[in-house]
Amino acid sequence: DAGVTQSPTHLIKTRGQQVTLRCSPKSGHDTVSWYQQALGQGPQFIFQYYEEEERQRGNFPDRFSGHQFPNYSSELNVNALLLGDSALYLCASSLFGGAEQYFGPGTRLTVT
Amino acid sequence: DQQVKQNSPSLSVQEGRISILNCDYTNSMFDYFLWYKKYPAEGPTFLISISSIKDKNEDGRFTVFLNKSAKHLSLHIVPSQPGDSAVYFCAASANYGGSQGNLIFGKGTKLSVKP
Repeated sequence: DAGVTQSPTHLIKTRGQQVTLRCSPKSGHDTVSWYQQALGQGPQFIFQYYEEEERQRGNFPDRFSGHQFPNYSSELNVNALLLGDSALYLCASSLFGGAEQYFGPGTRLTVT
Repeated sequence: DQQVKQNSPSLSVQEGRISILNCDYTNSMFDYFLWYKKYPAEGPTFLISISSIKDKNEDGRFTVFLNKSAKHLSLHIVPSQPGDSAVYFCAASANYGGSQGNLIFGKGTKLSVKP
């Protein structure tokens, strides 16, 4: 039974560019959440997708957008990258209504 | 304003002894609490959770205690093992639109278990 998978593992981008990160949820899960983790901090909630719609959003600018596909997989897009966007981006999946979220290994994004 | 606080950045414990990790929260709307363990270069791994209607939940060597009046929870690991060395995150969620909402995390406590 595959857990949450994310791609790519690492990514280096230049300021001003755009990036797309991908996530496949744990088998049987229908809800995907995205988090940003800066060094020395806990993960910070970006948004959550259920039934292909953004259900809840954290305090992140519109440069951060997402999508959920019919197979429940999800993408996180970040436009106009800033140096401060350098972080570990975590995807978590869950069953709708449940509090327990299961995390993928993350994508390490470096913006230069 | 931090809604979930882990005031100890680090904790060192001898193998076989008890590890106690603490967490405080400020939002009284939180009704579900979780602990995650994180190794370097990996995503957080779910450990144990507790609903606000309970004051204790146990799973093997891990026990979580919740004191709602003090807005405080703790994770006890007995006995501690070197493989438990990791960063532990406390997280909380509140009901949102009829289901549990997003997780709000503390900054983490780095646990080192010495052989």
